Amino acid sequence: SQKIEQNSEALNIQEGKTATLTCNYTNYSPAYLQWYRQDPGRGPVFLLLIRENEKEKRKERLKVTFDTTLKQSLFHITASQPADSATYLCALDLAGGGNKLTFGTGTQLKVEL
Amino acid sequence: DGGITQSPKYLFRKEGQNVTLSCEQNLNHDAMYWYRQDPGQGLRLIYYSQIVNDFQKGDIAEGYSVSREKKESFPLTVTSAQKNPTAFYLCASSRDSHNEQFFGPGTRLTVL
Repeated sequence: SQKIEQNSEALNIQEGKTATLTCNYTNYSPAYLQWYRQDPGRGPVFLLLIRENEKEKRKERLKVTFDTTLKQSLFHITASQPADSATYLCALDLAGGGNKLTFGTGTQLKVEL
Repeated sequence: DGGITQSPKYLFRKEGQNVTLSCEQNLNHDAMYWYRQDPGQGLRLIYYSQIVNDFQKGDIAEGYSVSREKKESFPLTVTSAQKNPTAFYLCASSRDSHNEQFFGPGTRLTVL
């Protein structure tokens, strides 16, 4: 069966460090992958989209990599701040799926002072 | 301001009752989606619509129904056939396929 895996345990890091979150998938051939941020009790907010032919994408302090051979995406937040504390969701679009996103369960990030 | 709205924020319903959740967007997006989120779980797709007057079932459509009579609106009805309706419901829209989705604030439905 198709599956997306994100670290279920919360990631705690110190302010100023780089946070790295992992998204692994099996049995998919995604045309692209997206990352979202979700705060408690609120809807997700889009952060970055990376296509299958792109290795890396950056936006301010955020960086996403996409390795279709390893079936893995890494999401990095550099110079992390307490305001970055949230749950981060990865989502895959199945190739030709009409923008049907399949979401991972998310990883909770806590940035401590 | 452009955006996507959902109402109400909190909804309580008795078992056996149907209830309709509202979703409106003024982003001029063609595609709209309904997701359900349960504690500790990812979002699961209920229904989606890529164009007015057309919609498709998602992964967990049983016990739900939708309509898409206007581009701006995509209401979701939770019927009494839905076995476990208590959840956080999220509506989203996107410009077209292969683009980011914009989410509403969500409706938390509790069945008493």
